Amino acid sequence: DGGITQSPKYLFRKEGQNVTLSCEQNLNHDAMYWYRQDPGQGLRLIYYSQIVNDFQKGDIAEGYSVSREKKESFPLTVTSAQKNPTAFYLCASSTTRLSSYEQYFGPGTRLTVT
Amino acid sequence: LAKTTQPISMDSYEGQEVNITCSHNNIATNDYITWYQQFPSQGPRFIIQGYKTKVTNEVASLFIPADRKSSTLSLPRVSLSDTAVYYCLVGDIGSGNTGKLIFGQGTTLQVKP
Repeated sequence: DGGITQSPKYLFRKEGQNVTLSCEQNLNHDAMYWYRQDPGQGLRLIYYSQIVNDFQKGDIAEGYSVSREKKESFPLTVTSAQKNPTAFYLCASSTTRLSSYEQYFGPGTRLTVT
Repeated sequence: LAKTTQPISMDSYEGQEVNITCSHNNIATNDYITWYQQFPSQGPRFIIQGYKTKVTNEVASLFIPADRKSSTLSLPRVSLSDTAVYYCLVGDIGSGNTGKLIFGQGTTLQVKP
């Protein structure tokens, strides 16, 4: 089955630790995205990448880092510099062809930092 | 990217048609209108996209008036499983599109039996 996988579904960490969230897609999409969602709120863009080895900051990139070494993978690291890391994290991918705004989302990772 | 305004919440009953309206007064000429659906603890799912007049697929219809300053998502005969948050997004999907989407708070639709 084609799709996006995120692991793990739930993640618990102690404050001060870096943590990496996994995102893999087998849709052959060029573009990948990371969003953060807080309770009762919409999604906010953290980072996005339109091509391998290139990525751009979104609206709330501070305290996060990403890499895009392979087309299929776009891991997100939540660093200890992120002041409020507890949230629901969503990864998405899309084609970069014109006339398409459809992003395919993974199931999400719920991160709790205490 | 144009800002959108939609109701925070709506209630409906099973079998009814639901219309959710989104305002986007600053929509640009190249902007398309897209709707997503999100269930709790899941990623959003694309529902429908349009530029003008009416678009229909197996799930919903999208009505866009001539001035394009608003749009209405229509869900026919809703069921309990349509209870979700619905997001309206506006953006340019032409050349130079970065794929950046701006999700507002969305409209929480509660379908009652």
